[in-house]
Amino acid sequence: SYELTQPPSVSVSPGQTARITCSGEALPKQYAYWYQQKPGQAPVLVIFKDSERPSGIPERFSGSSSGTTVTLTISGVQAEDEADYYCQSADNTGAYPVIFGGGTKLTVL
Amino acid sequence: QVTLRESGPALVKPTQTLTLTCTVSGFSLSASGMCVSWVRQPPGKALEWLALIDWHDDKIYTTSLKTRLTISKDASKNQVVLKMTNMDPVDTATYYCARVHSEWANYYFDYWGQGTPVTVSS
Repeated sequence: SYELTQPPSVSVSPGQTARITCSGEALPKQYAYWYQQKPGQAPVLVIFKDSERPSGIPERFSGSSSGTTVTLTISGVQAEDEADYYCQSADNTGAYPVIFGGGTKLTVL
Repeated sequence: QVTLRESGPALVKPTQTLTLTCTVSGFSLSASGMCVSWVRQPPGKALEWLALIDWHDDKIYTTSLKTRLTISKDASKNQVVLKMTNMDPVDTATYYCARVHSEWANYYFDYWGQGTPVTVSS
């Protein structure tokens, strides 16, 4: 089976930078996508193709990739950024065309 | 304006078949490149992708549930239907439909429905 591994939780103070990682063997060859999900709401796409930001997503959200790890960075974290964040990608064989990470709870202290 | 809306029973009994409908607007299910997926989320747990159907009517299923899932669409009604057989309490979850952006077999979800909660209990 194929897995994407995320830390269960990340905590930062307002104004600081939050970094959420996602690790997977296929990430050097597969794009990663990031979703924000607030309690009781549907997920929202915040980063696609590793580092591109959809229209309407604040510039403080950025994405990067290095080897088998991709990172979602939120600069100048605001209280409204407190949410669960999920990475999504695929494996290289086609057996897992869509797979989500386990999610990371971002807490703004 | 792209919208998706899920509908279906809130409660099903074990062994029953769940049928969920996703009604879309703002795009055509038969337009080139258009795909729709179903994703579920058990209470307090992570997202799990279930199935995808594209404009050609090609279908892809998650391996672990492939034998229980059927996805179909009726473009004239702007609807995508998911059937899941032999429901079990572990299938209790919020079920989302989402529009899929597809590019060279790279899939991601750019619009989501609000989700519909399903409880499996006798």
